[in-house]
Amino acid sequence: GAVVSQHPSRVICKSGTSVKIECRSLDFQATTMFWYRQFPKQSLMLMATSNEGSKATYEQGVEKDKFLINHASLTLSTLTVTSAHPEDSSFYICSPTSGGGPGETQYFGPGTRLLVL
Amino acid sequence: SQQGEEDPQALSIQEGENATMNCSYKTSINNLQWYRQNSGRGLVHLILIRSNEREKHSGRLRVTLDTSKKSSSLLITASRAADTASYFCATDPRGGSRLTFGEGTQLTVNP
Repeated sequence: GAVVSQHPSRVICKSGTSVKIECRSLDFQATTMFWYRQFPKQSLMLMATSNEGSKATYEQGVEKDKFLINHASLTLSTLTVTSAHPEDSSFYICSPTSGGGPGETQYFGPGTRLLVL
Repeated sequence: SQQGEEDPQALSIQEGENATMNCSYKTSINNLQWYRQNSGRGLVHLILIRSNEREKHSGRLRVTLDTSKKSSSLLITASRAADTASYFCATDPRGGSRLTFGEGTQLTVNP
C-alpha cells in the first residue's frame, strides 16, 4: 500500500496557540487531500477536501478560518489549527489520493493526536 | 453527514470464535470498503467490494454486499486477540468523491 506520513504524531499545546500538522504522501502524487477528525470512540468525520494548488472545500460546520489547509505540492499538505481550544482536542487524520476515481483505495496517514490544555 | 450505520457498536467474543459486523448505508455506491483501526492509531484498509460484487474473501475475512438492502457484513473467522480493534465500513458514493464512514464496531477478542 501507499506510504503516508503525518507529523507530529502527538502534540500537546496551550489554549490559544496554533498547531501545524503535516501530511506527506511518500510514494505517489496526491492531487487530492482529505482531512478527517475523529473524537474518542467516534467515527471519522470529514473536515475538508483540498486539491493541489487550489483552495480547500470545507464541510458544513467546519470553520475555514480556524482550520487552515495548505496543499501547495503534490506530496505535502498541512492543516493548521489556529487559536486552538480544548474542544479542538481530537485525532486528525489525513488521506491523500491520486484522483484515480471511483474504486481507488483510499490510504490514510497514521494520525495526529492533539491535546489542547 | 455519516451515512453508514454499523451494528453492533461493540462486540466481545472469545478467541477462536467468529465475529460478524454489519453495515448499512443509504445512497447508491461505487464500492464499500472495510477498515480496521487499533486504539489511537490510523486506519488500515482491509478489503474493498465493488457494487457489482456480492462476496469477497481475503484470508480470514469474508465480506458480503447486498445492494438491494444497502447493507454489508464483515465476517472474521477464527478470531485472534490481535483482531481486537475498531472496524469501520466506508462507502464510496456514486457521483461523490470521498469516502463516508460508518460509526464503527469495537471488537474485543478475549484470549
